Amino acid sequence: QQQVKQSPQSLIVQKGGISIINCAYENTAFDYFPWYQQFPGKGPALLIAIRPDVSEKKEGRFTISFNKSAKQFSLHIMDSQPGDSATYFCAASGGTGGFKTIFGAGTRLFVKA
Amino acid sequence: EADIYQTPRYLVIGTGKKITLECSQTMGHDKMYWYQQDPGMELHLIHYSYGVNSTEKGDLSSESTVSRIRTEHFPLTLESARPSHTSQYLCASSLGWGEQFFGPGTRLTVL
Repeated sequence: QQQVKQSPQSLIVQKGGISIINCAYENTAFDYFPWYQQFPGKGPALLIAIRPDVSEKKEGRFTISFNKSAKQFSLHIMDSQPGDSATYFCAASGGTGGFKTIFGAGTRLFVKA
Repeated sequence: EADIYQTPRYLVIGTGKKITLECSQTMGHDKMYWYQQDPGMELHLIHYSYGVNSTEKGDLSSESTVSRIRTEHFPLTLESARPSHTSQYLCASSLGWGEQFFGPGTRLTVL
């Protein structure tokens, strides 16, 4: 019930293409869904986050799509750039409900120049 | 820039040594965490703390111990390091269960 399943494990995209990473959760009490970006040798950093009262959130080239009924959410990176090459983690937490953050297993994205 | 610090950044030690990894944050966050991560791989939660004098074991069993005597400080100790402890250790903090701020990590190698 506490798992967050992330796919794919790795992704190779051409420069300018769209990168899509998917996550699914089980606990309907989760109310905060962040995506973290991690570059080699660094700790993860928050990229974008969404709450379940909206179906989509966009910040620049990054968009989260959220499907509450399917208990799924995804990260779309438009016009992918070599500088986007990193590991991406989705996560879910109970925000106000007291459920600690559960991370997905991560997706290693490589954007080819 | 997140105000969370970890020292040392790199540590190479021999088997059987006792080590303490330091983590401090200046944001007044109530919750703090320790994760173990092989480079670019999954984050494994090994310890977390709700607040001062509150610590819990995470999802991955670990031989390390932690303490939270002050809000800003959450050190991790290994009494007797072994080669299987070789990994990267990430500290993080959050206000409530929202955004976590991560430190730069400590890369530990046990020979």
